[in-house]
Amino acid sequence: GENVGLHLPTLSVQEGDNSIINCAYSNSASDYFIWYKQESGKGPQFIIDIRSNMDKRQGQRVTVLLNKTVKHLSLQIAATQPGDSAVYFCAENKNDTGKLIFGQGTTLQVKP
Amino acid sequence: DAEITQSPRHKITETGRQVTLACHQTWNHNNMFWYRQDLGHGLRLIHYSYGVQDTNKGEVSDGYSVSRSNTEDLPLTLESAASSQTSVYFCASSEALQGTEAFFGQGTRLTVV
Repeated sequence: GENVGLHLPTLSVQEGDNSIINCAYSNSASDYFIWYKQESGKGPQFIIDIRSNMDKRQGQRVTVLLNKTVKHLSLQIAATQPGDSAVYFCAENKNDTGKLIFGQGTTLQVKP
Repeated sequence: DAEITQSPRHKITETGRQVTLACHQTWNHNNMFWYRQDLGHGLRLIHYSYGVQDTNKGEVSDGYSVSRSNTEDLPLTLESAASSQTSVYFCASSEALQGTEAFFGQGTRLTVV
């Protein structure tokens, strides 16, 4: 079936290091992907998105990479800070319907 | 500022009761969605609406219903609450269906006892 999954449930990094969070998707027809950050007790918050006609997109301290050949998505966070501690979800906009298919999430823990 | 709000933030109800969770957005978005979030399952789509009087079933719609009488609100009703519906519920809205992110509310934690 269609699903968007993440490789690791938990990632622990040292403050100041770079973080890489991975996601694999199975629907090759999907053409829009989003990364969300969810802090404890809050709703998912948009971080960055990418369309399938792009391989890379950069934001402030974040970069998303898309490899359509192996259906892999990654989120890179530069100089990780304590405020980056949260659960990160990748999501796929299914066939441009607005309906999001979420992965199970990766918990990022930042050690001071 | 425009926003999306959910109420209540927390609710405890008994099995068999009807429960309605409110969702209100002030962006004037046509598209609204309800998701539930459970440990080990991420967020799953319950129902969605593309505009007034439009409602559609999502992946996990059994036991839930929605109505869309205006642009701003999409209330979610549990017809007869079951313990399996204990979860955190998130409402979201989006301006377009293509290439735009959805904005999420703060969530409602529902416990069915």
